[in-house]
Amino acid sequence: QVQLVESGGGLVKPGGSLRLSCAASGFTFSDYYMSWIRQAPGKGLEWISYISSSSTYTNYVDSVKGRFTISRDNAKSSLYLQMNSLRAEDTAVYYCASSPMAAAPFDYWGQGALVIVSS
Amino acid sequence: DIVMTQSPDSLAVSLGERATINCKSSQSVLYSSNNKNYLAWYQQKPGQPPKLLISWASTRESGVPDRFSGSGSGTDFTLTISSLQAEDVAVYYCQQYYSSPPQYTFGQGTKLDIK
Repeated sequence: QVQLVESGGGLVKPGGSLRLSCAASGFTFSDYYMSWIRQAPGKGLEWISYISSSSTYTNYVDSVKGRFTISRDNAKSSLYLQMNSLRAEDTAVYYCASSPMAAAPFDYWGQGALVIVSS
Repeated sequence: DIVMTQSPDSLAVSLGERATINCKSSQSVLYSSNNKNYLAWYQQKPGQPPKLLISWASTRESGVPDRFSGSGSGTDFTLTISSLQAEDVAVYYCQQYYSSPPQYTFGQGTKLDIK
């Protein structure tokens, strides 16, 4: 069955960096677009970045542009999010999610990784 | 960016009764070349990730009970639960995937409880 498992979350100081990983299994990872979506405590869902199946295309929400970088390794069926210059408002559960193409809904989601940015 | 606005923010419905959640987009998410609405609905239960319920505004995902239905076109959409069950207590989100390049946006969520 399809599994997406995030790792790498934790507590980091403002201005610090963190790298999230998402390990995929149960489907042909290299065929899918992947995204990171976050949810601040008690708040709604915010899409923050996507990457095309072959890494040709990426896009970001304005609030993380220049600070976050999405990447993937299809050989390892893994998705990554490098987060730099972290701010308190980046505190959230970060989900990885898959979609069969750019213009498609998110059909599978991971369980999420909690990132807390605090001094 | 396309802004998605849901109403109401919260809703309490008696077991067995109908629940209706609305979603409005700031611009049309209907792609004229294929007549498809690029709109999805998700259900999120406490402590769980969201689950895709409906895609293309009205296509139920495999395994989703038929008491869930989606309707609407263009800028106005509705998620209807025809007969509320206890397990339907959750937050529901609409999401557009129309933007190109992708700038996916979600509604703010609607919290559904039992009255």
